[in-house]
Amino acid sequence: DAKTTQPTSMDCAEGRAANLPCNHSTISGNEYVYWYRQIHSQGPQYIIHGLKNNETNEMASLIITEDRKSSTLILPHATLRDTAVYYCIVRPFSGNTPLVFGKGTRLSVIA
Amino acid sequence: GAGVSQTPSNKVTEKGKYVELRCDPISGHTALYWYRQSLGQGPEFLIYFQGTGAADDSGLPNDRFFAVRPEGSVSTLKIQRTERGDSAVYLCASSPGGPGELFFGEGSRLTVL
Repeated sequence: DAKTTQPTSMDCAEGRAANLPCNHSTISGNEYVYWYRQIHSQGPQYIIHGLKNNETNEMASLIITEDRKSSTLILPHATLRDTAVYYCIVRPFSGNTPLVFGKGTRLSVIA
Repeated sequence: GAGVSQTPSNKVTEKGKYVELRCDPISGHTALYWYRQSLGQGPEFLIYFQGTGAADDSGLPNDRFFAVRPEGSVSTLKIQRTERGDSAVYLCASSPGGPGELFFGEGSRLTVL
């Protein structure tokens, strides 16, 4: 079972920041937080991951609380192409443990 | 092509038939994963390979499902005596190993009539 809790759906206006929350209150010390997204009829796409520090790349920023029990994925300027299901996943950083997906958050970016 | 390739992209079969789905991972990736996804659900883990061996097959739903990766590259997911409940999108992903990202293919959509 997924160890994360996410809202079922969210809307965001085009050009505004999309802030997607995730609760992972049972996260272990050796687990990373990963974010993937899945655009309709495509395979999941990696966005970002982090352990305890905030992370930023060309796609998004990941903010992890100090106690690591929750995190927020930030898309700074959402576009219509960011409409997708976003999955927050916790995964040990050793080995090749499979990702365990929940139902994710369906983000709709509205013009 | 630099990405994960899955064939066929669509497969329609009749109940009771045998089906094979193929996955070509990214060259050099040692880890390979199979997932299946039903409508409205997140991907569900089936099996993963490290090299040629199945390191974790705990997600295979029953003994009708089997997967191989004989040379540590291409993998085939085999489904015997298909049932209507097997209808789903079957996703393959590969990874260079370790905590890095998984790269997913576009999936094979299986419909069992």
